[in-house]
Amino acid sequence: DGGITQSPKYLFRKEGQNVTLSCEQNLNHDAMYWYRQDPGQGLRLIYYSQIVNDFQKGDIAEGYSVSREKKESFPLTVTSAQKNPTAFYLCASGAAGGNSYGEKLFFGSGTQLSVL
Amino acid sequence: AQSVTQLDSQVPVFEEAPVELRCNYSSSVSVYLFWYVQYPNQGLQLLLKYLSGSTLVKGINGFEAEFNKSQTSFHLRKPSVHISDTAEYFCAVREFGNEKLTFGTGTRLTIIP
Repeated sequence: DGGITQSPKYLFRKEGQNVTLSCEQNLNHDAMYWYRQDPGQGLRLIYYSQIVNDFQKGDIAEGYSVSREKKESFPLTVTSAQKNPTAFYLCASGAAGGNSYGEKLFFGSGTQLSVL
Repeated sequence: AQSVTQLDSQVPVFEEAPVELRCNYSSSVSVYLFWYVQYPNQGLQLLLKYLSGSTLVKGINGFEAEFNKSQTSFHLRKPSVHISDTAEYFCAVREFGNEKLTFGTGTRLTIIP
């Protein structure tokens, strides 16, 4: 089945620790996105990538880092600089460029990150 | 810059009653508009979208939405809700040529038996 997979489902971070959230897609999509979801704040864009080896900051990139070495994978690292990391993190993928802006995004099932 | 406002954070509705979830957007250029639904502890699924043409769009699960350019609104409606419609609903906007999809803060729809 084609889809987008996030792992782990639950993740705990200790003080001063970096943690990495995995996102893999087999939909052959060029574009991938990371969103952070907090209660009452909706989804806020952290980073996005339109093509391999290229990515852009979203609205709340501070304290996060990403890489896009392969088309299928877009891991997100929550660094120790992110002082309030507890949230639900959603990865998404979609077509890029051209007439793709009206196309839908496909979402993973999310990772809940909590601080110990 | 594009933005989306969902004024109602929670909407309780009796089963089989109609419902309207409100969405207003702001942009200086033409936009694409979307409604997504999120069931508990899951990702988001597309309900419907407006790209161009007819201002009334129909989506999955009996939902529909109407684009009103003069009021910059894209309200979601369903004539008769079911228990299974309990979820959080997000309105989203994307400007022509812009990679960013901007979401509203969401409306939690609760169906009362």
